[in-house]
Amino acid sequence: AQSVTQLGSHVSVSEGALVLLRCNYSSSVPPYLFWYVQYPNQGLQLLLKYTSAATLVKGINGFEAEFKKSETSFHLTKPSAHMSDAAEYFCAVSDQGDSSYKLIFGSGTRLLVRP
Amino acid sequence: SQTIHQWPATLVQPVGSPLSLECTVEGTSNPNLYWYRQAAGRGLQLLFYSIGIDQISSEVPQNLSASRPQDRQFILSSKKLLLSDSGFYLCAWSVHSYEQYFGPGTRLTVT
Repeated sequence: AQSVTQLGSHVSVSEGALVLLRCNYSSSVPPYLFWYVQYPNQGLQLLLKYTSAATLVKGINGFEAEFKKSETSFHLTKPSAHMSDAAEYFCAVSDQGDSSYKLIFGSGTRLLVRP
Repeated sequence: SQTIHQWPATLVQPVGSPLSLECTVEGTSNPNLYWYRQAAGRGLQLLFYSIGIDQISSEVPQNLSASRPQDRQFILSSKKLLLSDSGFYLCAWSVHSYEQYFGPGTRLTVT
């Protein structure tokens, strides 16, 4: 079965510092991978996706992620954190292929940005 | 463009009362639809998904049920709420893709 692990339930960075949120997956076939962001009391918004094209994926709000098959990782980065980046971030991996198109979500990482 | 609506936005219900949460999608046809629950401080738990009208699959045995009376309408129900049903309920849709789009959510507090 597919699974996804997000290391660190909370990550704290200073404004202007590098953001690195970690995601590792287990999959027996090349997966599709996603990062979503959730602001308080809101739904999830798609940040970026990997669908077996370029391994470095750029998303919205200056975020990017790199698919590394050898490390089974899909870490999310941003060069310089803004206060507005404070939110919860979820990594998700595609469940194995049927017409349900289900995703399996990690437990989430809450990003805190210090002024 | 596609939009997804959920209502109500917030709900406070006593234990033992019934529940009905509604999700509707506009601007697409024959979407896959999903209900998730997010308990406080926890990740997303997939509750139900539907690949078509009257085609509902349950992921986790529980006190809830789902129905899809129309192509773009997905309803989450309970006959008798438990305290453990409290949480943030999210509806999502996708079309022939793993890319899911989420609604704004319903905050349910069972007292």
